[in-house]
Amino acid sequence: EADIYQTPRYLVIGTGKKITLECSQTMGHDKMYWYQQDPGMELHLIHYSYGVNSTEKGDLSSESTVSRIRTEHFPLTLESARPSHTSQYLCASSEWGGSYNEQFFGPGTRLTVL
Amino acid sequence: DAKTTQPPSMDCAEGRAANLPCNHSTISGNEYVYWYRQIHSQGPQYIIHGLKNNETNEMASLIITEDRKSSTLILPHATLRDTAVYYCIVRVPNNNAGNMLTFGGGTRLMVKP
Repeated sequence: EADIYQTPRYLVIGTGKKITLECSQTMGHDKMYWYQQDPGMELHLIHYSYGVNSTEKGDLSSESTVSRIRTEHFPLTLESARPSHTSQYLCASSEWGGSYNEQFFGPGTRLTVL
Repeated sequence: DAKTTQPPSMDCAEGRAANLPCNHSTISGNEYVYWYRQIHSQGPQYIIHGLKNNETNEMASLIITEDRKSSTLILPHATLRDTAVYYCIVRVPNNNAGNMLTFGGGTRLMVKP
């Protein structure tokens, strides 16, 4: 059972609001990831982190920002939400090392910006 | 990471084996084959992975051809709860890109009663 949590699960907000999507894992994983997925479409990596104080941009350009102050916490922030940000956001984590390389995914946050 | 090709959709009768193919003809010697699935509205779930030998776990079996250019994920007795999108991913574990997964379109498996 994966111990990775995302809050909120669903969020409907108005344009221009600042929002933070929370992601926490209790597995002690160094690596964490944010993916974005539109309905019925592929997942795209938007941010990842190797560990505390490490953040990198992923394959898909995103106006969101992330921080990694604690190992277990990897929040994603949108300073001014727009309707184009409407999507599902999935957080994941994995260990460092070995071939196993499994990523554990959270349940996702479905964001709707009106 | 090597590219993969999967059929966009497949049907399977409940209780029968579901065989999901994946082509990865440009796979390199140190790349593993990983399978994930995503049930509607949930996060992806790891299923199995392998390098060149066939692998089996409680969820599925993975058959990799001798030349490693293709593989098949087998769900031996598909249930309605196995209805999901199945992703085949080929990559080097722990590469400099930080273990990122590149998800393609996957195969949408529909298990029917």
